[in-house]
Amino acid sequence: GNSVTQMEGPVTLSEEAFLTINCTYTATGYPSLFWYVQYPGEGLQLLLKATKADDKGSNKGFEATYRKETTSFHLEKGSVQVSDSAVYFCALSVSSGGYNKLIFGAGTRLAVHP
Amino acid sequence: ETGVTQTPRHLVMGMTNKKSLKCEQHLGHNAMYWYKQSAKKPLELMFVYSLEERVENNSVPSRFSPECPNSSHLFLHLHTLQPEDSALYLCASSQVAGGLGPQHFGDGTRLSIL
Repeated sequence: GNSVTQMEGPVTLSEEAFLTINCTYTATGYPSLFWYVQYPGEGLQLLLKATKADDKGSNKGFEATYRKETTSFHLEKGSVQVSDSAVYFCALSVSSGGYNKLIFGAGTRLAVHP
Repeated sequence: ETGVTQTPRHLVMGMTNKKSLKCEQHLGHNAMYWYKQSAKKPLELMFVYSLEERVENNSVPSRFSPECPNSSHLFLHLHTLQPEDSALYLCASSQVAGGLGPQHFGDGTRLSIL
């Protein structure tokens, strides 16, 4: 079946620290992979995506590389800011009965302190 | 103008009331989704409309009734809800054809059942 596992939070960091949030997946076929971010009181925003093996998605200083051999899509940022405090969701997309079904991980809460 | 707009942002209702949630997308997409996000639970897919036809209904109680009058609008009609239905309800849209693209989310309706 299809599933996404991401590291449990909360992750607490000081400003300018390095961030890694691990994400691994199981999937039949060739999924697309995504990271979404949810700020307090808001919906989910697409942060970055990768559609095939070895693709690197990047946005706002965040990066993730689609690793087929390790079935992983870890999120990284070199220097986090207080404004990055949010919940981060890893997701994969598979074709299902006429639409693109998103399978989400449980989410990882990130808290960044000054 | 934001891509996916949900109204109202907040709703408080009694268990015997009838209300509707509205979602509108301005992205030219042809699939729309309702999700339920409860505290400490994974994101739950409720309904999917693809090309204005309902293609998925994930064992959602009949007190939730979706309606998709056209590809830009989606409603969730609510009646006789229970306290456990208090949650954030998120609408999303995507393009069905052309690969496994992302879904784009609105900011949600925070629903509280008294």
